[in-house]
Amino acid sequence: QKEVEQDPGPLSVPEGAIVSLNCTYSNSAFQYFMWYRQYSRKGPELLMYTYSSGNKEDGRFTAQVDKSSKYISLFIRDSQPSDSATYLCAMSVGQAGTALIFGKGTTLSVSS
Amino acid sequence: ETGVTQSPTHLIKTRGQQVTLRCSSQSGHNTVSWYQQALGQGPQFIFQYYREEENGRGNFPPRFSGLQFPNYSSELNVNALELDDSALYLCASSLEARRTFGSGTRLTVV
Repeated sequence: QKEVEQDPGPLSVPEGAIVSLNCTYSNSAFQYFMWYRQYSRKGPELLMYTYSSGNKEDGRFTAQVDKSSKYISLFIRDSQPSDSATYLCAMSVGQAGTALIFGKGTTLSVSS
Repeated sequence: ETGVTQSPTHLIKTRGQQVTLRCSSQSGHNTVSWYQQALGQGPQFIFQYYREEENGRGNFPPRFSGLQFPNYSSELNVNALELDDSALYLCASSLEARRTFGSGTRLTVV
């Protein structure tokens, strides 16, 4: 079993839809949870960063962490064609100085 | 504020050769880490440097080695290249928790 599991998709939605992206993990030591967006031929760009369980909202993006279920989610409201990208979940045991463990990434396509 | 820059952007090498990839950290970031991203996969941690010392390593063989310089820039060296080393190599610099990734070097081994 991989440490972090993420459905690779692809996921296709119409503009304005609500998108839900999810990851599960097996290592209960993970404390820090991140979502990155990666456009084609670019490096990952940090979207959301959360510590421990709970919700965090930033504009159209909401990140949820449920440590009891070892499950994290990213919701995108009012999706736009510019949101078309690969979304990677990542997590780490420590805040700094420790490796990020990534999921495979989910490819999202938003059509206008 | 400059971001993380990597060079070259693309590279083609022959199996058995050696390669050096370079990374300039974001201003003020004292930690640099390297990741390998195969096609269709998430990035995998190779190693990390803090103040010129390696302080973390993933499950990669010793032919993957690195350096960090006093200005916090970094190099990734790969010896005896194998076909499976073909991937996007990402550098990330960080200060405390926030990591910034470069656009990567696309390495193709033929």
